[in-house]
Amino acid sequence: ELKVEQNPLFLSMQEGKNYTIYCNYSTTSDRLYWYRQDPGKSLESLFVLLSNGAVKQEGRLMASLDTKARLSTLHITAAVHDLSATYFCAVDIRRSGGSQGNLIFGKGTKLSVKP
Amino acid sequence: NAGVTQTPKFRILKIGQSMTLQCAQDMNHNYMYWYRQDPGMGLKLIYYSVGAGITDKGEVPNGYNVSRSTTEDFPLRLELAAPSQTSVYFCASSYTSTGGDGYTFGSGTRLTVV
Repeated sequence: ELKVEQNPLFLSMQEGKNYTIYCNYSTTSDRLYWYRQDPGKSLESLFVLLSNGAVKQEGRLMASLDTKARLSTLHITAAVHDLSATYFCAVDIRRSGGSQGNLIFGKGTKLSVKP
Repeated sequence: NAGVTQTPKFRILKIGQSMTLQCAQDMNHNYMYWYRQDPGMGLKLIYYSVGAGITDKGEVPNGYNVSRSTTEDFPLRLELAAPSQTSVYFCASSYTSTGGDGYTFGSGTRLTVV
């Protein structure tokens, strides 16, 4: 069974600190997505990682993908309160015999940044 | 830019009732998807469509039906609502079959079955 595991599932950090969220997956894929979800809201796309070694940065967030290790990381630099949200990784797998993608989501990491 | 529009935003159903969740996109995307999100979990794929007239099952299709008569619309039908269908439902669309440009999600429909 395909598994996408995020850790930690809950993260409480102080403003100004750095931390990394990990996303491990159990099948071959070269496409991985990171989303942000605020309470009661939809998913906001943060990063689309399309190849091994891909690294993308936006503001205080940086995401990377290692397809050989089946691992993606989301690094938070100098956290601020506005980053408080739930972060999901999702792995794009191909349905057998076809080219249609299918997103498999992790359970999410609930991040709380405290002053 | 409307993107992906879902209606209604909230709904309470009684066990055994039926309803249709509406989803429309104005980005001319061929690929559309329905996901459900249970509390504390990631999203799971219910059904998807690769174009008008073509639909297929995802991970958790039981209890649901879909149709795709136009490129823009992708409604999700619940025929006999059950408490296990209490969830938040998200519709999404993408330009490519593998979402290389990313997937766009609607704002969700929060459904409670009592």
